[in-house]
Amino acid sequence: EIVMTQSPATLSVSPGERATLSCRASQSVSSNLAWYQQKPGQAPRLLIYGASTRATGIPARFSGSGSGTEFTLTISSLQSEDFAVYYCQQYNNWPPGFTFGPGTKVDIK
Amino acid sequence: QVTLRESGPALVKPTQTLTLTCTFSGFSLSTSGMCVSWVRQPPGKALEWLALIDWDDDKYYSTSLKTRLTISKDTSKNQVVLTMTNMDPVDTATYYCARIGDCYSANWFDPWGQGTLVTVSS
Repeated sequence: EIVMTQSPATLSVSPGERATLSCRASQSVSSNLAWYQQKPGQAPRLLIYGASTRATGIPARFSGSGSGTEFTLTISSLQSEDFAVYYCQQYNNWPPGFTFGPGTKVDIK
Repeated sequence: QVTLRESGPALVKPTQTLTLTCTFSGFSLSTSGMCVSWVRQPPGKALEWLALIDWDDDKYYSTSLKTRLTISKDTSKNQVVLTMTNMDPVDTATYYCARIGDCYSANWFDPWGQGTLVTVSS
C-alpha cells in the first residue's frame, strides 16, 4: 500500500500571506494526485487533480505542483475562507485502492 | 447538478451490522466509467477509503476492511448501499459517499455527500 505523508501537520499563516503545503508518497504515484479542502463540519471539496489542474470553480490562488513522490499545494494569498484542513490523495495505485494523507491544518496566525 | 446524500442510523450497537444508503442525482451509475465510493472519517482524524462500485457492478474494497464490507447498487433508484458487519466503537466516524466521474483514468472524488455520523456504542 502506498503511504501518504503531509507536512507540516499545522501551518499558522496570516491573511494575505502565502501558504505552502507538502505531500509525499512512499513510492511514485506519477501525477495521479488530488488535493481536497475540508472546513469544520463540511465534506471535503476537490481543489486539484492530476497534481496541478484546478477543479471547476477553484480560485487561481490555489496551485499544485510536483510528480513522482513529492507534491506541493500553494495558496498564494490566504483569504479568511481558506483556513481549513487540506488532504492529498493518491489514485495511481488503483486498483486496489486509494490512500489519503493525514492532512495539514491551516490556521490563523 | 450532481448531488449525493447519505442516510442511515446515527447509532449502532457493537457487533451489529451497519447499513448506509447513498442516494444520488445528476448522473447515472449505468454510464460507462462512472463509479461511486465510500470514505469515512473518525472524529478529528483523517479520511479513509472504504469501497467502490463501478458502472459494470465491479466492486473493490479496502484491504484492511474487506471481510466486513459489502457494496451494492440499485441503478433504477440511483442508490448505492454499503454494509459493514461486526461494528465496533473504533468504527465511529462520519461516512461519506462520493462520485468518481471516470473510473478509467480520473479517480478523484467529486463531489461528496454531506456525510452521516455513525456512533457505535452500547
